[in-house]
Amino acid sequence: DAMVIQNPRYQVTQFGKPVTLSCSQTLNHNVMYWYQQKSSQAPKLLFHYYDKDFNNEADTPDNFQSRRPNTSFCFLDIRSPGLGDAAMYLCATSRGQGRNSPLHFGNGTRLTVT
Amino acid sequence: GENVEQHPSTLSVQEGDSAVIKCTYSDSASNYFPWYKQELGKGPQLIIDIRSNVGEKKDQRIAVTLNKTAKHFSLHITETQPEDSAVYFCAAMGGGSQGNLIFGKGTKLSVKP
Repeated sequence: DAMVIQNPRYQVTQFGKPVTLSCSQTLNHNVMYWYQQKSSQAPKLLFHYYDKDFNNEADTPDNFQSRRPNTSFCFLDIRSPGLGDAAMYLCATSRGQGRNSPLHFGNGTRLTVT
Repeated sequence: GENVEQHPSTLSVQEGDSAVIKCTYSDSASNYFPWYKQELGKGPQLIIDIRSNVGEKKDQRIAVTLNKTAKHFSLHITETQPEDSAVYFCAAMGGGSQGNLIFGKGTKLSVKP
């Protein structure tokens, strides 16, 4: 019973061609996160939404944008993918923030840039 | 900001042996320390966590210990099985309301039958 669902599992895009990754959740959690994970590295937080409030990490490139049209869905838009953006992109949710709200991850979308 | 160091980066054990993974953190205000297991092609899954008011927590074959004074915490897996093979990440959460997780770099555990 997947509770954080990411589509597609694998995405191939061309250099410079915009791409959108999607995430949906059935947990009714307030917070949704996008992480980038490169091979053999830790997940790196790009940004998160607390309800409709968007919070961008200071070192997230402008090339990455996000939308959260409703509680259940969140999108990651990469405006002009470069070869360095090839990675696993992980969506996560939490009920709130802080130590009483563990993160729940989806299975990720692996992005390839050709 | 918070910095989390994790060791070792790879660990190979024989089935039935114990495995220990250690992490240190830098921010004394951090108050939540989860451990995630990531299998190939999947997202990280929470396996156990500990809060700063507790020194040890156990769940079947998995235990976590926390030493706040030394700012380190460890994952212990006893009686390892081949299905324990995965990448394990420790993480620390700061004490502020944002509560963003900072991950260690991961440990690739291989359990040989």
